[in-house]
Amino acid sequence: RKEVEQDPGPFNVPEGATVAFNCTYSNSASQSFFWYRQDCRKEPKLLMSVYSSGNEDGRFTAQLNRASQYISLLIRDSKLSDSATYLCVVNVGNYGQNFVFGPGTRLSVLP
Amino acid sequence: DAGVTQSPTHLIKTRGQQVTLRCSPKSGHDTVSWYQQALGQGPQFIFQYYEEEERQRGNFPDRFSGHQFPNYSSELNVNALLLGDSALYLCASRRPGSQETQYFGPGTRLLVL
Repeated sequence: RKEVEQDPGPFNVPEGATVAFNCTYSNSASQSFFWYRQDCRKEPKLLMSVYSSGNEDGRFTAQLNRASQYISLLIRDSKLSDSATYLCVVNVGNYGQNFVFGPGTRLSVLP
Repeated sequence: DAGVTQSPTHLIKTRGQQVTLRCSPKSGHDTVSWYQQALGQGPQFIFQYYEEEERQRGNFPDRFSGHQFPNYSSELNVNALLLGDSALYLCASRRPGSQETQYFGPGTRLLVL
């Protein structure tokens, strides 16, 4: 089993749609969690950290369920500019030295 | 405030050659990690440098080695290149002593022929 798994994608959705990405991780000692966004041929960029209480940033909502070892990202009112690959990232190390990335889920928002 | 920078941006090598990639961390960051990202996959952790020492290493062979300098910049060296080493090599840095996230450089795209 891979350490971090994500929906295989791709997701093709119309503008204005709500889309949800799921991620599971295998290491129960994982300490911090993030969603990154990666545009084609660019570096990953932090979208948001994920906290146990859940957190929201505008149209984006992230949830963490430690008991189920499950992370989610919800995007509301999708924009064309949201088209990208979304990477689920789990930090396993005590000193932030072991960031494990999922394979990513590609999103295409269509006009 | 400059972000993470990497050089070169692109590189073409042939099998068996050696390559050195360079990274300068974001200002105020002292920890540098290197990742390999093959096409269509997420980044894979190679190793991390802190205080000029390799602190942790991923599942990569000894052909992959690195170095960190007193100014926190870092190099990744790959010897005896294989076709499978073709990938985007990403450097990431973060501030000392916290669990916060890392910031990535634009990467070096390596093609091995």
